[in-house]
Amino acid sequence: SQQGEEDPQALSIQEGENATMNCSYKTSINNLQWYRQNSGRGLVHLILIRSNEREKHSGRLRVTLDTSKKSSSLLITASRAADTASYFCATPDGYQKVTFGIGTKLQVIP
Amino acid sequence: DTEVTQTPKHLVMGMTNKKSLKCEQHMGHRAMYWYKQKAKKPPELMFVYSYEKLSINESVPSRFSPECPNSSLLNLHLHALQPEDSALYLCASGNYNEQFFGPGTRLTVL
Repeated sequence: SQQGEEDPQALSIQEGENATMNCSYKTSINNLQWYRQNSGRGLVHLILIRSNEREKHSGRLRVTLDTSKKSSSLLITASRAADTASYFCATPDGYQKVTFGIGTKLQVIP
Repeated sequence: DTEVTQTPKHLVMGMTNKKSLKCEQHMGHRAMYWYKQKAKKPPELMFVYSYEKLSINESVPSRFSPECPNSSLLNLHLHALQPEDSALYLCASGNYNEQFFGPGTRLTVL
């Protein structure tokens, strides 16, 4: 099975700054997803980017996908304290499940 | 209704106890999932139910016993657990493109 690896594993920024986190994966994919998890809570699906897409936007989120490098990045612009959370990339593994990367823990300091 | 509910929120049990975790969704999803998440780690898939039938068991010890009484409900029966089973247990529904997670049950095994 493939597994994404996020980079950095931890990131601390000031409110208003942009946050960028990266994900690498090992095998070909149909899509890549990003999830957010607030401390000790369930995950929330943020965005899905398909393998034929290079960039996708949703509000303050911008996701890129480079299938040649097997990597994706998640950019959060104008960060807020409420963005403090762990962010995971996830890739489909077969037709029934996804595999999550190790995650990036983002702290936004007010 | 885009909510997945889980009960209880917290559970403390001894190694000889029998307890159950419950999960419910009303989004009409035909696939439901159990994940285990240890601190600072990504969720690890335990079981997948598809159309109320167990389709994936990720080599989970038999002290964890899943059950899907109907398309909206998912249970996880616990018996003779070990302290290392202490974790956040997450239920999800959806598919390999998008999963909706419940808030989780924080399990402590004494």
